[in-house]
Amino acid sequence: AQSVAQPEDQVNVAEGNPLTVKCTYSVSGNPYLFWYVQYPNRGLQFLLKYITGDNLVKGSYGFEAEFNKSQTSFHLKKPSALVSDSALYFCAVRGSNDYKLSFGAGTTVTVRA
Amino acid sequence: GAGVSQTPSNKVTEKGKYVELRCDPISGHTALYWYRQSLGQGPEFLIYFQGTGAADDSGLPNDRFFAVRPEGSVSTLKIQRTERGDSAVYLCASSLKAGGDTQYFGPGTRLTVL
Repeated sequence: AQSVAQPEDQVNVAEGNPLTVKCTYSVSGNPYLFWYVQYPNRGLQFLLKYITGDNLVKGSYGFEAEFNKSQTSFHLKKPSALVSDSALYFCAVRGSNDYKLSFGAGTTVTVRA
Repeated sequence: GAGVSQTPSNKVTEKGKYVELRCDPISGHTALYWYRQSLGQGPEFLIYFQGTGAADDSGLPNDRFFAVRPEGSVSTLKIQRTERGDSAVYLCASSLKAGGDTQYFGPGTRLTVL
């Protein structure tokens, strides 16, 4: 079975400060890891993914994530948050031989001006 | 290009009624997925199509739920004898091919069963 944990329901940061959203996972075999963002009344928007290669993955809108195999983590980061980054963020995982994604419960990010 | 589209965006129905939810994947994407997102939770897998066939329907909660993709493009999720517990946002996603590819999601259909 595969699963994702997002330990923080909410993350609050001031604009211009670094933003980190935590994710840990459990999967058989090599993980395929994804981050999605959801704005109110909108679908999930793809941010970035890790399949293989460099542990630091760069994605859309200045976001990046670091894959850590020993800690089974894939934390999302942004060096300088914007008010427009306020949204619901989901981490997802699947196994290399699978296709269905397992999602965490989501983390609500609020960036205050 | 156009993304995944879903219709209707909102559907309100009464307990016991039948509903159909439609998904138009990104053109050329062979793999299509349905997920269900309940309030305060992440999406949960329902069913996956590769082409016209349902390759995995293990996520369908019971036999009231059924999905088709007759021509390998548009898909319809069908729910019979709806129950209040079926209320959720139903998300459709597509990918260029199965395995390894990014799944791109539509805006979802919010189903409310009264």
